[in-house]
Amino acid sequence: LAKTTQPISMDSYEGQEVNITCSHNNIATNDYITWYQQFPSQGPRFIIQGYKTKVTNEVASLFIPADRKSSTLSLPRVSLSDTAVYYCLVVPERGFQKLVFGTGTRLLVSP
Amino acid sequence: AAGVIQSPRHLIKEKRETATLKCYPIPRHDTVYWYQQGPGQDPQFLISFYEKMQSDKGSIPDRFSAQQFSDYHSELNMSSLELGDSALYFCASSLRGDPYEQYFGPGTRLTVT
Repeated sequence: LAKTTQPISMDSYEGQEVNITCSHNNIATNDYITWYQQFPSQGPRFIIQGYKTKVTNEVASLFIPADRKSSTLSLPRVSLSDTAVYYCLVVPERGFQKLVFGTGTRLLVSP
Repeated sequence: AAGVIQSPRHLIKEKRETATLKCYPIPRHDTVYWYQQGPGQDPQFLISFYEKMQSDKGSIPDRFSAQQFSDYHSELNMSSLELGDSALYFCASSLRGDPYEQYFGPGTRLTVT
């Protein structure tokens, strides 16, 4: 599995856009990039997943360049409730794959 | 919408005791995963099941065992508990081994004293 590297922490203010970049230099052809969010003492929650280019859902956008060696999770107009740990994971395409969590990014949103 | 149910939510045990954690996946989900998250740490995969068969195994101690039953619920059995087993234990479920979106339960907080 490709190792992921992301910032340990980030600070932002309400209403700002937050971009969290993750590097995964050894990503394989069949790997997908997946992001999870975790609040303290709660289970991780799936945010978004993509293979290349850009993916957008009601919560976030995921930007993946052509070489796929990095990805950027974009959270538009964050609020205090977006304070959480965000994990970038590389997941092989085939099923029944365990999620390998690295060190996530602790995002703190202030008023 | 129905979510993953875990019981108990909190459990306090003494060293060398045993504990059983239960997980009820989302209806129609056939794959169950167990993760352990120690204090200040990231979740670590323990074991997974698909259609009642073990599908993958991570860093699960030999003192731990798990199984998935015919109704797809799963139980994690932990024996000879150690202080280091104190952690949050999450169960996640997915449909037909979907590799990307796993639905996590609220977790069981195990404290070993």
